[in-house]
Formats: sequence, C-alpha cells, structure tokens
Amino acid sequence: DAKTTQPPSMDCAEGRAANLPCNHSTISGNEYVYWYRQIHSQGPQYIIHGLKNNETNEMASLIITEDRKSSTLILPHATLRDTAVYYCIVKADSWGKLQFGAGTQVVVTP
Amino acid sequence: NAGVMQNPRHLVRRRGQEARLRCSPMKGHSHVYWYRQLPEEGLKFMVYLQKENIIDESGMPKERFSAEFPKEGPSILRIQQVVRGDSAAYFCASSPGTGAYYGYTFGSGTRLTVV
Repeated sequence: DAKTTQPPSMDCAEGRAANLPCNHSTISGNEYVYWYRQIHSQGPQYIIHGLKNNETNEMASLIITEDRKSSTLILPHATLRDTAVYYCIVKADSWGKLQFGAGTQVVVTP
Repeated sequence: NAGVMQNPRHLVRRRGQEARLRCSPMKGHSHVYWYRQLPEEGLKFMVYLQKENIIDESGMPKERFSAEFPKEGPSILRIQQVVRGDSAAYFCASSPGTGAYYGYTFGSGTRLTVV
C-alpha cells in the first residue's frame, strides 16, 4: 500500500473549519484514501473514505485532487471534542491491512 | 446494535503469566483485526482472522503470541509468559468484508500492564 505524509500537528480555533492535508504521491489506481481519528486512549474511529470523487458525510468532507496525489480532510466547524490524532491511510480495495502512520495531532482551542 | 466489544478493559499480569484478550465483533461481521499500540507509539497491525482461519499474521511476534477466532464465541488474542515490553493497548476491529466500502469498527481496547 502507498505511504502517506501528514503534518505532525496543527491547531484550530473552535467553530472554524479545520483543513487537514495528506500527501500520497505513490497512490495506485485501486487504492482508496481513508481517514480515521483517535481521541485520547480510545479506539480509532472511522471518518470517511474516497477513491477520486469528493465525499461528504455528517462528520467531514474529503477533497481529493484530480491527480489523486493528495487529499484534504475538512472538519467544517471544529469543536473541542474534535481534538484527536487524525490518520490518513491508503488501502487497496481488496484485502490490505490498514497501516497507521504517525498522523496529525489536531488541537482545537476555545 | 452493540459495537465491537473488548474485555477486559484493563488487565494486570505479572511477568511470566498468560494474558487472554477477548474481542466480540459487531453483529454480522466475520472479519477481525488485532492492533497493538505501545506507549507513545502508533497503532501496529498484528493479525487478521476470519471465522476459524488466520488470514494474515505478518504483524504477530514469532513467539508467545497467538490468535484465534472460533466458529462460536469471541476472537481471542493470547500472550504467553508476558514480559514488561508487552504492556500496551490492544485494539480489535471488525468488518463485514474486505471491500473498500467496509470501514473497520474498532473496540475500546484492552490496556495490558505487566508488572
């Protein structure tokens, strides 16, 4: 599975949009982009995933560039409860284990 | 619709004892994955099981660790003769399949402390 690169940390003001970047320049055609988050000491939580089209659900939006080499997770109105480590992962459609990197530590401040 | 259930939440073992961690997947999920998170480190894949079969155990330490997912009952991660370095959070996840639209659902984890 392709590797991903994320900034180690970022801060966000409560109520503002949080834009989390991820680079995956070696992504191949059958690999999807997944986002998970881990709130302190809890189990990881699935957020969203996509192949090439932009996706939106009740938690977030996922914007994937046309060449698929990078993506951005958008939390539209960050709250204090969104403070967590966010992981960007690429995985093939068929079985391929989820490989968690270091992720981005997001801190939402009042 | 209960989520992935792991027990116990916390487990303390003395060096040399055995640890048994249990994971009940979500209803309808037949795929189970175990991950380990050492203190201040990331999540590392350990093993992937389907009912009665180990599909991928590439992340399992070669000795002392084993996993099973019997036809009936929860998946079990077993650690024999525990050492202090086994102290970690162990997370289980489940999915109904392996296709791209199947996100993993994780449990709350078991925190193992070896004293």
